[in-house]
Amino acid sequence: ELKVEQNPLFLSMQEGKNYTIYCNYSTTSDRLYWYRQDPGKSLESLFVLLSNGAVKQEGRLMASLDTKARLSTLHITAAVHDLSATYFCAVDGGNYQLIWGAGTKLIIKP
Amino acid sequence: EAGVVQSPRYKIIEKKQPVAFWCNPISGHNTLYWYLQNLGQGPELLIRYENEEAVDDSQLPKDRFSAERLKGVDSTLKIQPAELGDSAVYLCASSPRDGGTTDTQYFGPGTRLTVL
Repeated sequence: ELKVEQNPLFLSMQEGKNYTIYCNYSTTSDRLYWYRQDPGKSLESLFVLLSNGAVKQEGRLMASLDTKARLSTLHITAAVHDLSATYFCAVDGGNYQLIWGAGTKLIIKP
Repeated sequence: EAGVVQSPRYKIIEKKQPVAFWCNPISGHNTLYWYLQNLGQGPELLIRYENEEAVDDSQLPKDRFSAERLKGVDSTLKIQPAELGDSAVYLCASSPRDGGTTDTQYFGPGTRLTVL
């Protein structure tokens, strides 16, 4: 059974700092997604990572995938308040079923 | 392009009452998903449709939950009777399943259900 673990589950940081969110999964998969969710809002797709070594960047966010280590990272560079949200990773468990992590609640303080 | 539409956005009912949620996916998206999301957790799949066929309903509590997607477009999820533990956000998502490799799921705003 595929399991997905994110850490940390909660992160409070200052604006301007860098930090990384980790997503580990337990069995082989060829697709990994990162989503963002603002309070009371729905899930917004950020990145799709399809192969080992894949790296995607959008603004201050960069996601990478290491399929051998079964690890994806979401790196935040020079954080700004607008990036405060909950970030989820989701792994394709086969047959188009996504297995979701518990989410990382990120609070960025001015 | 319009996104995934869901209604109602909020619903408050008493336990043992029935409730229904409606979803209209992005135009042209063949695959439709219903998820349940509890506070502080990731979404949990309830049912997945390919056109009008329910291809994965293994997580749907069939004693009280039902769903339909009669014409392969919009869909309805029903709970009857509702229980206190059903309080959650019900999310609908769709994906194109057009042979592309990404197959990203696009989510609607959700229906927040409160059962009293």
